[in-house]
Amino acid sequence: QSALTQPPSASGSPGQSVTISCTGTSSDVGGYNYVSWYQQHPGKAPKLMIYEVSKRPSGVPDRFSGSKSGNTASLTVSGLQAEDEADYYCSSYAGSNNLRVVFGGGTKLTVL
Amino acid sequence: EVQLVESGGVVVQPGGSLRLSCAASGFTFDDYTMHWVRQAPGKGLEWVSLISWDGGSTYYADSVKGRFTISRDNSKNSLYLQMNSLRTEDTALYYCAKDGDYGDYVFDYWGQGTLVTVSS
Repeated sequence: QSALTQPPSASGSPGQSVTISCTGTSSDVGGYNYVSWYQQHPGKAPKLMIYEVSKRPSGVPDRFSGSKSGNTASLTVSGLQAEDEADYYCSSYAGSNNLRVVFGGGTKLTVL
Repeated sequence: EVQLVESGGVVVQPGGSLRLSCAASGFTFDDYTMHWVRQAPGKGLEWVSLISWDGGSTYYADSVKGRFTISRDNSKNSLYLQMNSLRTEDTALYYCAKDGDYGDYVFDYWGQGTLVTVSS
């Protein structure tokens, strides 16, 4: 069982927007602004899409955005494109006494 | 160009040991914290361990604490994971990942992974 909770699946049609949630606790998501999102296509290594809740690395389209409210972070993909179909994982820093990084279980995004 | 190339993954029996390596290039290796992250077949990502730039600080997931040891050799631009007392649940693709270009605890580059299979 993953430390962070994500819905197992999400879907949308091309051009639409979809939002994926990532729920943790005050010891991880809610306590720090160290939430990241990763995209993973089948057979490939994960790719960083969002860091520090809402920042985009260079080269990531601005169709991808992140936010956080309380213990829940969210990834929104706007203007869905076929190549956005992939698994998405959130992660968060969790704690200073017993430092660790925790992941969500992943969400399979399907572009209909 | 940043490159991370893992090696050392094999089939090993439960209770056995294994050392994984990750060869880094394309960046100043000893400036960055490094991580191991694993993914069991068909499952999600699980953080395993991190090591600070100088090797002075190491941290582990509870699932591997006391069995795995992370280390690095900055003179060889290499990261390692010594895995002892292996269990079937350690079966996974093991990725090394770089931290730091976008802040702490952010995996900005990943290798392609090396597969560890624990089976009798």
